[in-house]
Amino acid sequence: EAQVTQNPRYLITVTGKKLTVTCSQNMNHEYMSWYRQDPGLGLRQIYYSMNVEVTDKGDVPEGYKVSRKEKRNFPLILESPSPNQTSLYFCASSFGLGNQPQHFGDGTRLSIL
Amino acid sequence: GNSVTQMEGPVTLSEEAFLTINCTYTATGYPSLFWYVQYPGEGLQLLLKATKADDKGSNKGFEATYRKETTSFHLEKGSVQVSDSAVYFCALSDDNFNKFYFGSGTKLNVKP
Repeated sequence: EAQVTQNPRYLITVTGKKLTVTCSQNMNHEYMSWYRQDPGLGLRQIYYSMNVEVTDKGDVPEGYKVSRKEKRNFPLILESPSPNQTSLYFCASSFGLGNQPQHFGDGTRLSIL
Repeated sequence: GNSVTQMEGPVTLSEEAFLTINCTYTATGYPSLFWYVQYPGEGLQLLLKATKADDKGSNKGFEATYRKETTSFHLEKGSVQVSDSAVYFCALSDDNFNKFYFGSGTKLNVKP
């Protein structure tokens, strides 16, 4: 089954404790992206990747890191999480360029205390 | 810069009513436009898209037309069903199709 898998689905942690949210897709998609969803703000793009070793900033990259060492994986790293990063996070992927339909994961709800 | 503005929700309709959700955008160049739908507890799914001016995207009875002169991409459906209850997001991708910008979402409640 074609899917985008995020882990963990839920996480409560404390300020400053490094964490990684994994994202994996099994569709051989080139394009992958991370978003955060906040009430009243919709989805905002954090980082995206056009292919292996090619990443770039979206609208709200501050406080986040990403890497794309393999085509299928695109982890999101919070080196020193802060409470304002409490949010619902989505990973997405698509063939080719970003104007193709994006397939979304089911989301990761992060709470930073 | 690029941005998307959607009408505030929630929108509550009776089954078989006509639906319009307004979306306007600000963008440089020639963006592509999308509507995504999010059902409770799930990720977003593409509903329809349009890649150039005057294109009409359609899917599952939903339609939207890319109007460059009014910078709009309003979503319409002639007869909504209870199963259409969800949050709808308007979005655009920039000229290079790399960056995405989403509206704040409009929640639709359809009552039997």
